[in-house]
Amino acid sequence: AQTVTQSQPEMSVQEAETVTLSCTYDTSESNYYLFWYKQPPSRQMILVIRQEAYKQQNATENRFSVNFQKAAKSFSLKISDSQLGDTAMYFCAFMMGTSGTYKYIFGTGTRLKVLA
Amino acid sequence: DTGVSQNPRHKITKRGQNVTFRCDPISEHNRLYWYRQTLGQGPEFLTYFQNEAQLEKSRLLSDRFSAERPKGSFSTLEIQRTEQGDSAMYLCASSNPPGQVAFDGELFFGEGSRLTVL
Repeated sequence: AQTVTQSQPEMSVQEAETVTLSCTYDTSESNYYLFWYKQPPSRQMILVIRQEAYKQQNATENRFSVNFQKAAKSFSLKISDSQLGDTAMYFCAFMMGTSGTYKYIFGTGTRLKVLA
Repeated sequence: DTGVSQNPRHKITKRGQNVTFRCDPISEHNRLYWYRQTLGQGPEFLTYFQNEAQLEKSRLLSDRFSAERPKGSFSTLEIQRTEQGDSAMYLCASSNPPGQVAFDGELFFGEGSRLTVL
C-alpha cells in the first residue's frame, strides 16, 4: 500500500527567509504524481505545486520549488522569500496514475508559521 | 463555474441522528472524491466516483456511511446513527477526467462540511 510521511508536524520561519518541508513516500509503482497542497486557516485546500514521477526536472512555481529524489522516494517543498500569507498547513500527497486508480493519499501535514 | 460547493458548511447533531452532506463538483469534472479530516490531521480517503459509478470505498467507511452520485453530477454523503467519533470535517473534491490532455492530477476542493456530534 502507498504511504506518505511528513515528519515535521510544525515549523516556523522568519518573513523573507527560506524554509524546506519534508515528505517521503512509499510505493512500488513507477508512474505517479506528487503534490503539495496548502490549507490556510479555515479555508479550502489549494494546490501549490505538482510533480510527475517520469519527469526528472524539479517543478517550480514562482517562490515554490520541489526537490524530487525518486530513488530515495523523497519530495521536499522549498518556499523562498516566505510571506505572512504562506502561514498554513501543508500536505504532501501521492496519486498513482496507473490501473485506473487515481486515488490520492495525503500525509499528516506540516503546520507552517511565518513570523513577522 | 464557482468551484466545488459543499452544503451545509456546519452541522451540529445529536448522537444517533442521521445527517446528509451534499457536494456539487466543478461541472466538467467526472471524478468526485470524499475525504474526512480530523483536527490537525491530513485528509483520509473515504470514497470516490467516476461519473455515477462508485469505484472504491475505504475500509474507514462503515456500513453507517453511504455515498451516492446520481446521474454523475452532485454527490451526497449520508451518515446514519451518528457517533461522537464521526465528528470531523468532510471534504469533497473533484478532478478532470484522467486520460484527457488537460488532466494534470489536480484536485479541486470544496470548503468542507464540518460535523459536530454531541
